Amino acid sequence: KQEVTQIPAALSVPEGENLVLNCSFTDSAIYNLQWFRQDPGKGLTSLLLIQSSQREQTSGRLNASLDKSSGRSTLYIAASQPGDSATYLCAVRDGGATNKLIFGTGTLLAVQP
Amino acid sequence: GAVVSQHPSWVICKSGTSVKIECRSLDFQATTMFWYRQFPKQSLMLMATSNEGSKATYEQGVEKDKFLINHASLTLSTLTVTSAHPEDSSFYICSARDGTGLGTQYFGPGTRLLVL
Repeated sequence: KQEVTQIPAALSVPEGENLVLNCSFTDSAIYNLQWFRQDPGKGLTSLLLIQSSQREQTSGRLNASLDKSSGRSTLYIAASQPGDSATYLCAVRDGGATNKLIFGTGTLLAVQP
Repeated sequence: GAVVSQHPSWVICKSGTSVKIECRSLDFQATTMFWYRQFPKQSLMLMATSNEGSKATYEQGVEKDKFLINHASLTLSTLTVTSAHPEDSSFYICSARDGTGLGTQYFGPGTRLLVL
C-alpha cells in the first residue's frame, strides 16, 4: 500500500529565505507526482506536476525534483514571500490499476515578513 | 488553466437531512471525477472514484449508501450525503481528471458541511 510522508510537518522562515519541502513515498511504481498548495479553508491549487520519466519541473520561484528510485521528491521555493504561507501537499498518482492520487500529510509553511 | 467548480461552497443542515453537493468541470471533459474528504489539520482522504456513466468505486470504509455519487455527464458529478449526522461535518473536495495523456487532476474549491 502506497504511503506518502512529508517533512517537516510545519516550517516557519523569515521572508527572503530559500527553503526545501520534502516528500517521500513507499512504492516507486508511480505514474506522476504533483505538488499542491492549500490556503486555509480553501481547495487545492496545483503547482507542479512531474511525470515518472521526468527529473524536475520549474515554475517561477518553484522547482520540484523527483527521484523515483529512492521514493523522494523535493519542492524548492526561492526567495520566499509572506504570500507563500500555506499548506503544501504532495500527491503521487499510483501507477497500478487503481490510478489513484494519494496525498501526503502536508507541510504548513509560514513565511514571516 | 482548467477550472472545477463546486456548489454550494458551504452548507449548514439539521441532523437527518440529506445534502447534495455538485461538482462541475467548466472547460474540459472529465471522464473521471473523485471525491475527497478533509478533516481539520489533516490531509485529503479519497472517498470514491466515479467514471461517467458507471457506478462509483468506493474506498474501504466509506459507506456507499451514505454517500451517493452520481456522474451523469462528462462535466458533472454529485455527492449526496444522506441522513447527515454531526460526524459527517467535514470539508468535501471534488476533483476532475482531464482526458489528456498528462491526466492532471484539477480540484474544486471545496464544500464545508456542518451538520447540527
